[in-house]
Amino acid sequence: QKEVEQNSGPLSVPEGAIASLNCTYSDRGSQSFFWYRQYSGKSPELIMFIYSNGDKEDGRFTAQLNKASQYVSLLIRDSQPSDSATYLCAVKPGGYNKLIFGAGTRLAVHP
Amino acid sequence: GAVVSQHPSRVICKSGTSVKIECRSLDFQATTMFWYRQFPKQSLMLMATSNEGSKATYEQGVEKDKFLINHASLTLSTLTVTSAHPEDSSFYICSARDLYADTQYFGPGTRLTVL
Repeated sequence: QKEVEQNSGPLSVPEGAIASLNCTYSDRGSQSFFWYRQYSGKSPELIMFIYSNGDKEDGRFTAQLNKASQYVSLLIRDSQPSDSATYLCAVKPGGYNKLIFGAGTRLAVHP
Repeated sequence: GAVVSQHPSRVICKSGTSVKIECRSLDFQATTMFWYRQFPKQSLMLMATSNEGSKATYEQGVEKDKFLINHASLTLSTLTVTSAHPEDSSFYICSARDLYADTQYFGPGTRLTVL
């Protein structure tokens, strides 16, 4: 059973702070890792993907991957109330055509 | 960026009728599309994987005769909910896999209400 685990939250951070979202996965052969953002009542939107160990930055977002620890995280700098949403971690296990999603972490950024 | 459309965005139907939902990749070719269902405040649930030109692969517990999937071209997949019942009311979301970027992009979803 391929699994992706996330803390359901809510994670509450003040505006301007760094939000740190974490995800662990079970399949050591996984090669591709994704973060999606889902606003209430809307469909998921791709924020970032990462394939290699280390950090990948895109604007206020940084994805971090550690394959040895089977751990992927998303940092959101200068958090804004508009970042309040559920963040879904998704992993593509080796040999799979589909993504395995975590249950999501709800982020609340308060003014 | 990659755009996936879904039609209709919202549908209300009577119990026993069939509803067809279309999913299109607008600016890339998608050999693989995925259909998800999401109930309020719950996680995404993958229903099936749709491959262009071949039969869909259904997840365990999903009735293939109730949820008919057709992927006739590289840009279009359809999901037909046959003989819909109130318990089928949900948010149905498709995604399309961009083969070259190996990423999945979601459509905006279709909210189905069965009376």
